[in-house]
Amino acid sequence: EIVLTQSPGTLSLSPGERATLSCRASQSITSSYLAWYQQKPGQAPRLLMYGASSRATGIPDRFSGSGSGTDFTLTISRLEPEDFAVYYCQQYGTSPTTFGQGTKVDI
Amino acid sequence: QVQLVESGGALVKPGGSLRLSCAASGFRFSDYYMQWIRQAPGKGLEWISYISGFTSTHYADSVKGRFTVSKDTAENSLYLQMSSLRAEDTAVYYCARAVRGNSYLIDYWGQGTLVTVSS
Repeated sequence: EIVLTQSPGTLSLSPGERATLSCRASQSITSSYLAWYQQKPGQAPRLLMYGASSRATGIPDRFSGSGSGTDFTLTISRLEPEDFAVYYCQQYGTSPTTFGQGTKVDI
Repeated sequence: QVQLVESGGALVKPGGSLRLSCAASGFRFSDYYMQWIRQAPGKGLEWISYISGFTSTHYADSVKGRFTVSKDTAENSLYLQMSSLRAEDTAVYYCARAVRGNSYLIDYWGQGTLVTVSS
């Protein structure tokens, strides 16, 4: 199965700053089938991005995704207070689907 | 609107069994792949099973032979029968819907139900 490694484990930033999260795959991801989810404490994850760079419905444009092959990035251009959460990447192009271990963005 | 509501989580002894349910509403159940995904306390997400619109199933190696996914389309309900439970099965179990036409990309999640395996 494809192993996804996210870095850093924790990102300590302030509101208004830019966040750059990395997701690296153990092998190339088919058709850039890479998604990002946001999870807040006590809540289920929420889909942010799919196809590496497409925003899900209702996701603000301060979130952007990029990458291909084995290296992918989620960027939050200017952090809002509600963006402090854990972010997971997921590859859904090869069975079974797998998730990264998560990056926590905190203040 | 799409809603997924899990139930059935409980404290169970190692070696025991448990059945989780997920009540779905707001969409045509038979058109989508439905998933079970779990999250151990303080840990990341682990996909464990799906059932397709045509009732084909697939399991993670960690639960294969112990867990069985099923559904009742008439009742819009998804189930996970868990047996031979181990301490490492302790987690919040999420029912989730995949995007139409895709097996694994999740667009809706339930709120989760906690399963604790302990003596």
